[in-house]
Amino acid sequence: DAKTTQPNSMESNEEEPVHLPCNHSTISGTDYIHWYRQLPSQGPEYVIHGLTSNVNNRMASLAIAEDRKSSTLILHRATLRDAAVYYCILGGGTSYGKLTFGQGTILTVHP
Amino acid sequence: GAVVSQHPSRVICKSGTSVKIECRSLDFQATTMFWYRQFPKQSLMLMATSNEGSKATYEQGVEKDKFLINHASLTLSTLTVTSAHPEDSSFYICSARTAGGGIQETQYFGPGTRLLVL
Repeated sequence: DAKTTQPNSMESNEEEPVHLPCNHSTISGTDYIHWYRQLPSQGPEYVIHGLTSNVNNRMASLAIAEDRKSSTLILHRATLRDAAVYYCILGGGTSYGKLTFGQGTILTVHP
Repeated sequence: GAVVSQHPSRVICKSGTSVKIECRSLDFQATTMFWYRQFPKQSLMLMATSNEGSKATYEQGVEKDKFLINHASLTLSTLTVTSAHPEDSSFYICSARTAGGGIQETQYFGPGTRLLVL
């Protein structure tokens, strides 16, 4: 399975933008880039996913590098409720839809 | 987004008993569901892929006779932990995959079931 690399932790202040990086240098041409987040004792929450083009939804934006070897999840204005573990996962394509979770990035948001 | 529910949210059982966990996709049909397990301070680990109307596919190291999976309808998959032991205590999470293929396809997760085996 293609792997992703994320920083262990990041910090942000409330109402500031947050850029969460993810490296996936071994991504295949058919792998989608998925982002999920998880609060303690809850199931992961879908955030966004994309293939090649940048994607926007009401929660976040996903910026995908032209060579697709890295991507960035952008939270435009962090709130305290955005504090969570964020997972960048490659799915679909060669993994037949299975999502393999890494350790993710623990995002702390300061008031 | 799509909604996936799990029941029960938490369960305590005695060692040696069996426990059934239900996973339902509430507003969409899911031909494929997945079961994960998460131990404290660890990431999610995929246990098995559940396909409607066919046998589940288990990940390496997961005992199929201990973790029985039934995907009897397009909205329901069940995981039964048979002869549970304290080491099976964990947070069990299911996900359901939407249909459509390509960019339309994604997975939505249930809220999880906390299992404690005494």
